[in-house]
Parts: sequence; C-alpha cells; structure tokens
Amino acid sequence: AQTVTQSQPEMSVQEAETVTLSCTYDTSESDYYLFWYKQPPSRQMILVIRQEAYKQQNATENRFSVNFQKAAKSFSLKISDSQLGDAAMYFCAYNTGTASKLTFGTGTRLQVTL
Amino acid sequence: DGGITQSPKYLFRKEGQNVTLSCEQNLNHDAMYWYRQDPGQGLRLIYYSQIVNDFQKGDIAEGYSVSREKKESFPLTVTSAQKNPTAFYLCASSNEFYTEAFFGQGTRLTVV
Repeated sequence: AQTVTQSQPEMSVQEAETVTLSCTYDTSESDYYLFWYKQPPSRQMILVIRQEAYKQQNATENRFSVNFQKAAKSFSLKISDSQLGDAAMYFCAYNTGTASKLTFGTGTRLQVTL
Repeated sequence: DGGITQSPKYLFRKEGQNVTLSCEQNLNHDAMYWYRQDPGQGLRLIYYSQIVNDFQKGDIAEGYSVSREKKESFPLTVTSAQKNPTAFYLCASSNEFYTEAFFGQGTRLTVV
C-alpha cells in the first residue's frame, strides 16, 4: 500500500524562527508529485508548495521550502521567519497519476508562539 | 470567482437516514474527489471521478455513493449503511493536466 508518514503530531516554533516538518512516503512509482497542504482553523485546505519528483531542485515559495531526498523518500517542509498566521495543521501528500488521487499523511499541528 | 462550493456547511442526520452532500465547481476541472477527515487520521479518499458518468471507489467507499451526471457536480450520499458517519467531508477537484487538488470549505456531518 502506498503510504505517507508524518512522525511529528505536534510542533512548536517561536515567531521569526525556523521550523522543519518531516514527511516520508512509500511508492514504487518513478514519476509522482509531492505536496504540502496547510489547514488553518477554518479547515480550508490550502496548497503551500509542490515538488515534481523528476526535478532535483528543491521547490521554494517565499518563506516555505522543501528538502526533497528521492532516494530516501523524504520530503520535509521548512518554514523560515515563522509568523503567527502559520499556525495550522500541515499535511504532506503525494500522487502518482495524471489525475490527482492524493494520499495524505496524518498531519502535523504547528503552534507559533510569541 | 472560480472555486468549489460545498453545501451545507453543517448537516445533522438521524440514524437510519440517508443524506446528500453537495459539491459544485466552476473551475472546468475534469476530476473530482471526496475525502473524509477524522481527528488524527488525515484525509481518506472515499470516491473519485475523472470524467462525467464515471467514478471509482477510494479507500473507504463502503456506506457511501456518488454520481457524476454533470462535469460541475459531484454529490456524495451518506447512506444508513455507513456505521460511523460523523466526520468532516471535503470535496476537491483538479485539472487532469495538473496535479494539485483544490478544495471546498467542507461539510461537517453529525449523527444525532
């Protein structure tokens, strides 16, 4: 079975500091896409960043960046200069088809403190 | 504005009743999906549809049914056969040429 594992149920970071959320996945496919989604208290799922598996360069979106290690099947999310608005559940996900059939991890709850 | 609309936001069901959750999108996306979210379990796929008049079971389809008569609409029926239906339900859609899914705001279903 294809799985996504997020081993950190909760994380905490001080405002303006950096935090890294971990994610590992298991697939036998060679071509796939990886995502980090954010779910704030409103419960709206928001795409944070995406990574194509065939690209060696790590994706970056403003304060968000990933560390993609294909051989290790690892896909961590780094949030720099953390802000109070970053507090949310973060889900790692991937799909292997031409149509999205996203498989999600169980999520990491991120708290941001002053 | 383009997007995905789920209704209602909150839904209450008596035991033994069927209820239908609505999902409409105006993004012209081919694929649509239903996910269930329970605390501590992430999102689990119930059903998905890649084209009109066709759909496939996801990981937890038992007790649910769907239809895809129009490209824009993908309603989910929670039947009385679903033994633990209380959950948060999310609808999503994607363009077949892209890979990320866009989500609606969800429906919270509670059995009373």
